[in-house]
Amino acid sequence: DGGITQSPKYLFRKEGQNVTLSCEQNLNHDAMYWYRQDPGQGLRLIYYSQIVNDFQKGDIAEGYSVSREKKESFPLTVTSAQKNPTAFYLCASSLRRGWETEAFFGQGTRLTVV
Amino acid sequence: GESVGLHLPTLSVQEGDNSIINCAYSNSASDYFIWYKQESGKGPQFIIDIRSNMDKRQGQRVTVLLNKTVKHLSLQIAATQPGDSAVYFCAENKAGGSYIPTFGRGTSLIVHP
Repeated sequence: DGGITQSPKYLFRKEGQNVTLSCEQNLNHDAMYWYRQDPGQGLRLIYYSQIVNDFQKGDIAEGYSVSREKKESFPLTVTSAQKNPTAFYLCASSLRRGWETEAFFGQGTRLTVV
Repeated sequence: GESVGLHLPTLSVQEGDNSIINCAYSNSASDYFIWYKQESGKGPQFIIDIRSNMDKRQGQRVTVLLNKTVKHLSLQIAATQPGDSAVYFCAENKAGGSYIPTFGRGTSLIVHP
């Protein structure tokens, strides 16, 4: 079945470490997104990419980095510069053509700093 | 700045009642809206969408109403069931722009058996 897969589901990070969250989609979508969700909060945009080898900062990009070397993959690295990384991270994808298009989400990665 | 927001953070209803979840938007150029449902520990899922040239759209047990005059969107769930318990988000998009889903805070719907 087509879909979007995030891994791992749970991730623990020590202070000062960089960690990378995986996001893969087989929906042939051009656009991919990373959101951060804190308890009782909405989804805040970290980074997005509308085409391979191109990506843009979202509202809270500081302390994060991404790459888009393949259409199917959009990994997110949480760097040691991110001071409060504990959160639920959601990856999404959508068709780029047209504006009437829904986003498809992965099941999320819960990151905890220990 | 312009944003999508929700009026009520938590809504509690009895099983079988109808639920209404509201959303206010301030971007007058937005003309496509989506409601998503997020169950605990999972990613949001599409429920229903509506274009700005419509004021009502119905799905299975759900209805979305759009009032462009007051920039208000609502999601009505008929005969609410315990399985409807989740956080509901509205998202908006502006025609002609890059589609970047913009979400509000969300409303937590709690259905009591």
